[in-house]
Amino acid sequence: DAGVIQSPRHEVTEMGQEVTLRCKPISGHNSLFWYRQTMMRGLELLIYFNNNVPIDDSGMPEDRFSAKMPNASFSTLKIQPSEPRDSAVYFCASSRRGPGANVLTFGAGSRLTVL
Amino acid sequence: AQTVTQSQPEMSVQEAETVTLSCTYDTSESDYYLFWYKQPPSRQMILVIRQEAYKQQNATENRFSVNFQKAAKSFSLKISDSQLGDAAMYFCAYSTNAGKSTFGDGTTLTVKP
Repeated sequence: DAGVIQSPRHEVTEMGQEVTLRCKPISGHNSLFWYRQTMMRGLELLIYFNNNVPIDDSGMPEDRFSAKMPNASFSTLKIQPSEPRDSAVYFCASSRRGPGANVLTFGAGSRLTVL
Repeated sequence: AQTVTQSQPEMSVQEAETVTLSCTYDTSESDYYLFWYKQPPSRQMILVIRQEAYKQQNATENRFSVNFQKAAKSFSLKISDSQLGDAAMYFCAYSTNAGKSTFGDGTTLTVKP
């Protein structure tokens, strides 16, 4: 398995632009998580899905952020409009639920810079 | 809400020596999972070790072992025979049974040759 695949690896955009981050989880994993990592706030859980259904989006900063998981093999995190304070590394992770599971496999992250 | 606290922002160890990273957590749940993840400069997060709360036996993975004290809500990581490749940021994480994981702020480990 190629692991969790995220794109793009790096994104530089200007304030006000729309940003879309993409994630392909590991086949067979039924939970997907979006995290944001910054120096100031560490690793924050933004939202997670179980079986493609959003379960907890309490970490989504505000209405500018939205996430979708249209099928088991694809998820997007969208920021519209983007702001400089959104600059961070965004990680997607997937896991298999159940006893002995719950281990997160992370993607390589998408580094977002908003100018 | 669950919280995870790593009280050591930075630690250093001499190559081949042993180091222990601390972690405490707060929860009202009785069934949960605890993890240590490693993030090297490449920024790829990698699982180091996992512990199920219902298991009394401490988990061990080669040079990595944990000291899990459920009553004290403590979960420390011991790295034996430290190697240069162990240099990274280490995150302690708590996961609910539903799979939601909360991370500590991390400990940066430096390994001195």
